[in-house]
Amino acid sequence: GAVVSQHPSRVICKSGTSVKIECRSLDFQATTMFWYRQFPKQSLMLMATSNEGSKATYEQGVEKDKFLINHASLTLSTLTVTSAHPEDSSFYICSASSGTGYYGYTFGSGTRLTVV
Amino acid sequence: AQKITQTQPGMFVQEKEAVTLDCTYDTSDPSYGLFWYKQPSSGEMIFLIYQGSYDQQNATEGRYSLNFQKARKSANLVISASQLGDSAMYFCAMREGPGGSNYKLTFGKGTLLTVNP
Repeated sequence: GAVVSQHPSRVICKSGTSVKIECRSLDFQATTMFWYRQFPKQSLMLMATSNEGSKATYEQGVEKDKFLINHASLTLSTLTVTSAHPEDSSFYICSASSGTGYYGYTFGSGTRLTVV
Repeated sequence: AQKITQTQPGMFVQEKEAVTLDCTYDTSDPSYGLFWYKQPSSGEMIFLIYQGSYDQQNATEGRYSLNFQKARKSANLVISASQLGDSAMYFCAMREGPGGSNYKLTFGKGTLLTVNP
């Protein structure tokens, strides 16, 4: 079946530094990538949607300059948290879609970011 | 208004018994899809079952079935013969728009299911 590899699974960084999270679709072409954020014991909140080769569409309230999303190829999308602060600590998870099929959403395994 | 409502923050069930997790949704789009995902403590999202708005029959996948009541806008998940490994967070989600998975999913707040031995 479809697989999305998300790295790193855990990262600890110092306040003020930037962190890059990668999602790779291993056996299909991800025309659309969704990036979610999840706080402990809460739901998944969509941050942005990106289509390959286009600028990401951010949800209301999400700072596009802080959360940089790149979807330069059909198999790779990255989320960069710039100038991270402790309040950015969260679980980030991507979901890739090939655009076909009614339920073709494949999730990565998530990244737990801790900013100290 | 919330698009997906899960009113049960937590549920307990005895091993081998059946359990129903509630989900109601709100949309004016005639084309939509409803999903259930399982999220164990490891964080991965595991797809369980899908129901399209035009599907005439309730979806089933092994021990999982979806009780789809379109007029009531509900899409409850039924897990039969619960197992200890079913203990996890369960999310109901909706895609608004015609088929094709390049539409975003909206998630409910989730239900934490605990299966007791």
